[in-house]
Amino acid sequence: AQSVAQPEDQVNVAEGNPLTVKCTYSVSGNPYLFWYVQYPNRGLQFLLKYITGDNLVKGSYGFEAEFNKSQTSFHLKKPSALVSDSALYFCAVRDESSGNTGKLIFGQGTTLQVKP
Amino acid sequence: KAGVTQTPRYLIKTRGQQVTLSCSPISGHRSVSWYQQTPGQGLQFLFEYFSETQRNKGNFPGRFSGRQFSNSRSEMNVSTLELGDSALYLCASREGTGWKEQFFGPGTRLTVL
Repeated sequence: AQSVAQPEDQVNVAEGNPLTVKCTYSVSGNPYLFWYVQYPNRGLQFLLKYITGDNLVKGSYGFEAEFNKSQTSFHLKKPSALVSDSALYFCAVRDESSGNTGKLIFGQGTTLQVKP
Repeated sequence: KAGVTQTPRYLIKTRGQQVTLSCSPISGHRSVSWYQQTPGQGLQFLFEYFSETQRNKGNFPGRFSGRQFSNSRSEMNVSTLELGDSALYLCASREGTGWKEQFFGPGTRLTVL
C-alpha cells in the first residue's frame, strides 16, 4: 500500500538557520511527490512537486526539496528560515492506483516553528 | 486568475441534519477533488469529479456525496450529520489532464453539535 510518513510532529529552528522537514514515501512505481503548506485557518498552498528529472526541486518562497530514490525520501529544505515560515507542512504522494485522478495521499503534517 | 473559492466558510449544524458545501474551481480547471481534514485523521480524500463524472472515491460512508456541474463548480453533501463529521472540508482544483498540481480553496469549517 502506498503511504507517506512525516516522522517529526514539530520542527523548531532559529530564524536565519537552515531548515529541513522530513518526508519518506512508499510506492511501487515512480512517485509523484508534493509539498504543501497550511497557515492557520487557511487552505493548503502548493510549494513544489517532483514528477521526474532533476532530484533537486526548487519551489515557492525559497523552498526546495531533494528527491532520493534509494532512501525513498523527499525532504523539504530552506537555506535560511524566516519567522513567517512558521506553519503546518504536508508531504503528499499521488495515489498511483487511481490512474490519472487527483487523489493525493498526505502525511500527517509537520509543524514548523521558527523562533526569532 | 481567481483562486478556488468555497462557500460557506463556516457552518454550524446539529446531529441528524444535512449540509451542502460549494466549491468554485479556478477558471479552466475541470477537475475538483474534496478532502476532509481533522486533527485525528489528518487529510483524507473524499472524491474527485471531472467533467461532471465522479472519477474516484475515498473510503467514506454513503452519507457523503457530491456532484459537479457543467461549469465545473462542485458541491458536496453530507446527510444525517454525526459529531465526527466536524472537520475542515477542502476543495482542490486542477486542470485534469496530465499530472498537474492541485490548488486548494480556503475550506469550509463544519461544526456538528
